[in-house]
Amino acid sequence: NAGVMQNPRHLVRRRGQEARLRCSPMKGHSHVYWYRQLPEEGLKFMVYLQKENIIDESGMPKERFSAEFPKEGPSILRIQQVVRGDSAAYFCASSPPAGFWEKLFFGSGTQLSVL
Amino acid sequence: AQSVTQPDIHITVSEGASLELRCNYSYGATPYLFWYVQSPGQGLQLLLKYFSGDTLVQGIKGFEAEFKRSQSSFNLRKPSVHWSDAAEYFCALFNQAGTALIFGKGTTLSVSS
Repeated sequence: NAGVMQNPRHLVRRRGQEARLRCSPMKGHSHVYWYRQLPEEGLKFMVYLQKENIIDESGMPKERFSAEFPKEGPSILRIQQVVRGDSAAYFCASSPPAGFWEKLFFGSGTQLSVL
Repeated sequence: AQSVTQPDIHITVSEGASLELRCNYSYGATPYLFWYVQSPGQGLQLLLKYFSGDTLVQGIKGFEAEFKRSQSSFNLRKPSVHWSDAAEYFCALFNQAGTALIFGKGTTLSVSS
């Protein structure tokens, strides 16, 4: 049973480009969460999605950031017109529908570097 | 306001010595608390969790944590540290909406021989 898969592991973008980060949840998991980790900071919640629905996006920056979790395929975190301050590790976690707090698993993250 | 504080940024412990990592929280009701470990370049692995009941919880890799409501603390302990325990440790609590984990800034553990 594969874990939470994130790709790419490392992503380099120039300022102004778009970054797309992918997260494939564990089999049977229908909830996905995105977190961002800045250097020497803990993980900060960004968004919580279920299939085709955004449940909580209170941690998402108001501009340039968006997330989706379609009926088929991975969840995508999109960052438009990246800036140097977007450089961070982005982690995805997934859980099943019931008792989800006990079965939350994290991926290995995508390290985004903005030049 | 809900928050998690890990007062120690970096701790060094000798191999075989005991370990205690501190975690304090701010929360209006009974919190759901977690400890995660992150090895370099890896995702987070759950060590243990507290939801209710016995205030001393056992986790994987020989770790345990004690929930103390009076002190708003959930400290992580291990009686004898191994070199492989060197990693970053995060304390977290579930937000009131039940939609997200709120993390502390982490404690980096180094193990000396």
